[in-house]
Amino acid sequence: KAGVTQTPRYLIKTRGQQVTLSCSPISGHRSVSWYQQTPGQGLQFLFEYFSETQRNKGNFPGRFSGRQFSNSRSEMNVSTLELGDSALYLCASSLGGLASTDTQYFGPGTRLTVL
Amino acid sequence: AQSVTQLGSHVSVSEGALVLLRCNYSSSVPPYLFWYVQYPNQGLQLLLKYTSAATLVKGINDFEAEFKKSETSFHLTKPSAHMSDAAEYFCAVTSSSNTGKLIFGQGTTLQVKP
Repeated sequence: KAGVTQTPRYLIKTRGQQVTLSCSPISGHRSVSWYQQTPGQGLQFLFEYFSETQRNKGNFPGRFSGRQFSNSRSEMNVSTLELGDSALYLCASSLGGLASTDTQYFGPGTRLTVL
Repeated sequence: AQSVTQLGSHVSVSEGALVLLRCNYSSSVPPYLFWYVQYPNQGLQLLLKYTSAATLVKGINDFEAEFKKSETSFHLTKPSAHMSDAAEYFCAVTSSSNTGKLIFGQGTTLQVKP
């Protein structure tokens, strides 16, 4: 089975721009979670989507948004980029049942640099 | 609320020595606990998870962890370190009411000396 794929792997943007990151989950997985990883704040949960619905959300401003398509692929969007948005953005997929014991499988991440 | 504290941001061991990475959690509900490893420029890979079955959990590459409720701990151990174990390790917690959300510790970088 193919793993979780994320595109693009690297991205450079300037302040004020917006960006869209894409995540393709493992086949059969219906849940996609997004995380931001920075040296200062570590790994922080952004949001989780299941069956095209946001099911859980972290404490990030409204500039961070996401969506999920019927094939479970997910995108996240960051508008009005700030320097502090520079980070590794990781997505993870899981089967998505109500059990939180489902293993989350992570993609390689998208490295976003904001200049 | 849930949280995780990993004691020691950097741990250094000699090849062949015991690896011990410490994780303490805080949770007002029964926790589910995970250990992940991250190699440079890669995503996270699951080592093992505790889901309220056996308290001693065995994972990949000879790693294991023991859930101790009285100590609110979930320390990761490996009997003999290999050079290839050098990486960053993350402990994470979630619960049945927190679907899809893992709360991570700050991570511990493991250095293995020859």
